[in-house]
Amino acid sequence: TQLLEQSPQFLSIQEGENLTVYCNSSSVFSSLQWYRQEPGEGPVLLVTVVTGGEVKKLKRLTFQFGDARKDSSLHITAAQPGDTGLYLCAPRGAGSYQLTFGKGTKLSVIP
Amino acid sequence: EAQVTQNPRYLITVTGKKLTVTCSQNMNHEYMSWYRQDPGLGLRQIYYSMNVEVTDKGDVPEGYKVSRKEKRNFPLILESPSPNQTSLYFCASSFWSSTGNYGYTFGSGTRLTVV
Repeated sequence: TQLLEQSPQFLSIQEGENLTVYCNSSSVFSSLQWYRQEPGEGPVLLVTVVTGGEVKKLKRLTFQFGDARKDSSLHITAAQPGDTGLYLCAPRGAGSYQLTFGKGTKLSVIP
Repeated sequence: EAQVTQNPRYLITVTGKKLTVTCSQNMNHEYMSWYRQDPGLGLRQIYYSMNVEVTDKGDVPEGYKVSRKEKRNFPLILESPSPNQTSLYFCASSFWSSTGNYGYTFGSGTRLTVV
C-alpha cells in the first residue's frame, strides 16, 4: 500500500512571503501531478512531472520531482491572496493508470 | 468550452430516497471517475470507467452504483442513501494512455446532505 503524506497540513502566511509544501511517499512514482482546489470548486491541474529531478516553473510556482521519484515539492515565491487554496499532489504508481490524491496542504495568504 | 458538468450542485434528501447525480463531459475523454471528499480524509475514489460499458470499483464503492452507456455521461446512483453518504462529490474525466500522464478535469462538485 502506497503511503502518501503532504506537509504541512495547514499554512497561513502574509502576502509577499515565500513557502514550500511537500509530498512524500515510501513508493516510487511513475509520474506526479499537482492540483489546486479553491473553496467550492473542483481541483484544477497545475503541472505534471515525469522525470526524476525534473523542475517545472509556472509563473511564481516552482515544482520539483525528487531524483528517486518518491517525493515532490511546490515552492511559491512572493505569495499572493489569489494563491489561497488547497494544494493536492497526485502521484501515479509504477504500472498504474490511476491517480492517488494526497490529503492536501491548505494555504491561506493574508493580504 | 471544455468542461465536466455535474448536476445538481446542492442536494438535500432523506434517508432511503433514491437519487442520481449526473456527470457529463464534452471532451471525448475515455476515462471518467467519481470521488467523494470529506474533511480529514481527502479525495477518495468511488468508481471509475475506462470506456463505454467498462466500470470498476474504487476505494469506497459501497452504497453506490454507476453506469457508462455513453462516452460522455457517467451518472452516480445512490439506491438507498444514508447519512454517512453526506459529502462533497466530484466527477472527473481524462484522456487515457498507457503512460498515464494526462491530467484530470473535474466538475464543480455536488454537495449532498442526507438527513
